Amino acid sequence: AQKVTQAQTEISVVEKEDVTLDCVYETRDTTYYLFWYKQPPSGELVFLIRRNSFDEQNEISGRYSWNFQKSTSSFNFTITASQVVDSAVYFCGVSGSARQLTFGSGTQLTVLP
Amino acid sequence: GAVVSQHPSWVICKSGTSVKIECRSLDFQATTMFWYRQFPKQSLMLMATSNEGSKATYEQGVEKDKFLINHASLTLSTLTVTSAHPEDSSFYICSYLPGTGGKNEQFFGPGTRLTVL
Repeated sequence: AQKVTQAQTEISVVEKEDVTLDCVYETRDTTYYLFWYKQPPSGELVFLIRRNSFDEQNEISGRYSWNFQKSTSSFNFTITASQVVDSAVYFCGVSGSARQLTFGSGTQLTVLP
Repeated sequence: GAVVSQHPSWVICKSGTSVKIECRSLDFQATTMFWYRQFPKQSLMLMATSNEGSKATYEQGVEKDKFLINHASLTLSTLTVTSAHPEDSSFYICSYLPGTGGKNEQFFGPGTRLTVL
């Protein structure tokens, strides 16, 4: 069984602030993949990042960065210098051997001008 | 990245009618695909998994006789909501899983918003 917990339901920040979205996952698989998706008001999911369970190297890509800590089963996502266009619902997900993707409940991010 | 289309993007129908939603992968073939449902302000919930040429596997609580899935080819799958009722109003999203290799990355369609009056 897989489970993803996104404890933050809603976050509001002012433009240019940094914001971190938390994600804690559960899985019995030893090999699995972690994902972050963005869902703007249009509804279409936008893929942000995939990490496999053996790659704990954290990465920075432009204003986005990720912190994967296997010891605490966390896969947090940070946006630096947030912009109004970053306003969306962000979903964390885990996919294991069955290849099914389990999503967290999502975090609504609102960036105020 | 891979492109997946859904048609229609939105549909309004009367209670009791059936609605068919198409999902196509435009630039790759996939043996496995998924249908999700998303109610307002909620997460995406997996409804069923289907493999080309086989019957779909439905998640617990999803009525297989109500939500008919036809995975006719490696590039086309359809979801038919039969005898739709207002509680079936939701955002339906399909996704394809290319190949049998690793990475588990699914490619999502843009979604279909169903409103049942």
